[in-house]
Amino acid sequence: DGGITQSPKYLFRKEGQNVTLSCEQNLNHDAMYWYRQDPGQGLRLIYYSQIVNDFQKGDIAEGYSVSREKKESFPLTVTSAQKNPTAFYLCASSGGTGLAGPGGYNEQFFGPGTRLTVL
Amino acid sequence: SQQGEEDPQALSIQEGENATMNCSYKTSINNLQWYRQNSGRGLVHLILIRSNEREKHSGRLRVTLDTSKKSSSLLITASRAADTASYFCATEVVYRSVNAGGTSYGKLTFGQGTILTVHP
Repeated sequence: DGGITQSPKYLFRKEGQNVTLSCEQNLNHDAMYWYRQDPGQGLRLIYYSQIVNDFQKGDIAEGYSVSREKKESFPLTVTSAQKNPTAFYLCASSGGTGLAGPGGYNEQFFGPGTRLTVL
Repeated sequence: SQQGEEDPQALSIQEGENATMNCSYKTSINNLQWYRQNSGRGLVHLILIRSNEREKHSGRLRVTLDTSKKSSSLLITASRAADTASYFCATEVVYRSVNAGGTSYGKLTFGQGTILTVHP
């Protein structure tokens, strides 16, 4: 089955610890994204990556770090510098289009999410 | 920056009724997308409308876009209890990456969502 997976589903962290959230996709998508969702809120972009070994900060990157060593994987590390990390984290991917195509009208495919709680 | 603002924040209707949700945004966009989220789950893409389109249909969904007013609406006709979920609009701005060889990619900005409850 093609899709995007996240693990773990639930994660508990003590204050001062770094934790890493996994995101894997087998859709052959170039672009991958990390979002944070707080209760009753929309999604806010943390980091995004257009291609392997390249990534950019989103709107709320402080206290987070990412890597993109493989096309299929885009792990997110929540560092101790993130002051309020308790949230629902969603990973997404999209295909991207070439210049010859209609141009970037891409739906994003989302994983099931990881709920992080700081104890 | 928060691009999309949705209205109402919550909507409660009976099965068979129509549900209308509205979305407003502030800056120019390439397209607008609607997503659905069941409680505690990931988002699922419903429909995309491009900036040069005014109306689009998909099954029981009808989306309109008014770029002069920077607003969009999502209409779900003949609603069912299974339609109960949160609905988000997301505006997309397309950019081209030099690093990625000029390939186009979209960056989405989400609204806060409308919680729809459909009572059987």
